[in-house]
Formats: sequence, structure tokens, C-alpha cells
Amino acid sequence: DAGITQSPRHKVTETGTPVTLRCHQTENHRYMYWYRQDPGHGLRLIHYSYGVKDTDKGEVSDGYSVSRSKTEDFLLTLESATSSQTSVYFCAISDRVNATNEKLFFGSGTQLSVL
Amino acid sequence: DAKTTQPPSMDCAEGRAANLPCNHSTISGNEYVYWYRQIHSQGPQYIIHGLKNNETNEMASLIITEDRKSSTLILPHATLRDTAVYYCIALSSNDYKLSFGAGTTVTVRA
Repeated sequence: DAGITQSPRHKVTETGTPVTLRCHQTENHRYMYWYRQDPGHGLRLIHYSYGVKDTDKGEVSDGYSVSRSKTEDFLLTLESATSSQTSVYFCAISDRVNATNEKLFFGSGTQLSVL
Repeated sequence: DAKTTQPPSMDCAEGRAANLPCNHSTISGNEYVYWYRQIHSQGPQYIIHGLKNNETNEMASLIITEDRKSSTLILPHATLRDTAVYYCIALSSNDYKLSFGAGTTVTVRA
């Protein structure tokens, strides 16, 4: 299995508090992604990174920020958590060399509950 | 990227081949067809992908029609562990953001 570690695995927090989720990889892959998964919505892309300090928004980026200061770590921050951000968050990595090989490897997920 | 359409659910018998259809009638020439699956509560897992030729690996086979408007993922000998949600995704060669739809919930029954 690809070396991807998400932390924490579970978190319960209160509305209005800041939360940071961490994704750590040992594969030296260039691309990293944050998805959220909610019942009835499938997986939706929040933010992604195509290199150190290079990030861009996905389809549901409002209320989230990301940072990537080194290849192995991609942080997702909820500046002020809301109940609508209760979800399962998945990190994914990819070593996309060219268009023919976009294999994503996913972490085990973080279950976040905002009360 | 082209929209894909999959049946919401399907059942198959253990030991039999499972044929999962996907419609992508608006696919363009530079879009690949990718298949992933997600077993309950786990992160999605890559299965296979192709452009226009049929592909086979240790997990499955991918059959793409000649006009590329549809494809079929074949699990040759389904097991109970193949019970999962299967996602068919069209990805452009100049894009790298996979978009997951609702997928097909496949239930393998003993």
C-alpha cells in the first residue's frame, strides 16, 4: 500500500474552532489532494497541490485552506469549523508523470464531527 | 471532463463474472476512462484505466466500445470482497482532478 498517513483518524470539535488535518506521504509524489465525502454527494475535491507551495482550489473549497511547505505534508485547515463541515476527509497522492497514468492512492480517511 | 452515467446498483453472484456498465457518450478524444472502487469506509482504490484499447490487469478487464461512448468493467470471478461502490470517471489528458460521481453499488451475494 502507498505510504499515506492521515491524522487524526477521528476528531470531534465545536463550531467556531479551528481544525487542521494532516496528510503525510512517504512516496515523494508530486500531487496531493483533499476530498470530502458525504452521504448522497460522493467524493468532492476541496483543494489540491501540484508541488511545494503550489496549491489550487477544487469544487468545494469555501471555508477551507491548505498549505504544503514540504513534499511529504499537505495540511487542510478549517479556520472556523461549522456543522456543515462534518464529513469524512480523504487525502490522496499521485505521481502523475503524464496524462496516461493518473492513479490516485488514498489514505484511510479522517472522520470529523463538528458539534 | 465528460459526464459518465452508471446504474445506481447491481447484484451479482459469487464466482460469476460481474459486468459493470458505464456510459460516456460525450467523451472526447483525449479523455481516458478510469475505474475506482470504494469498499465500505475505506479510501477509493484504483482498478484500471484505458483510452480506446481494451485493458486487463490482475483485478479486472476494461472493454471500451469502438466509438468510445461506453465501457464495461469486468470482474472475472466476483468474490464477497468485491462488494463496493464502483466509480467510472472520464479524465482529460490536460486535467488531473478526478471527479467522483455516485457510482454503482455492487453487492456480491453468496
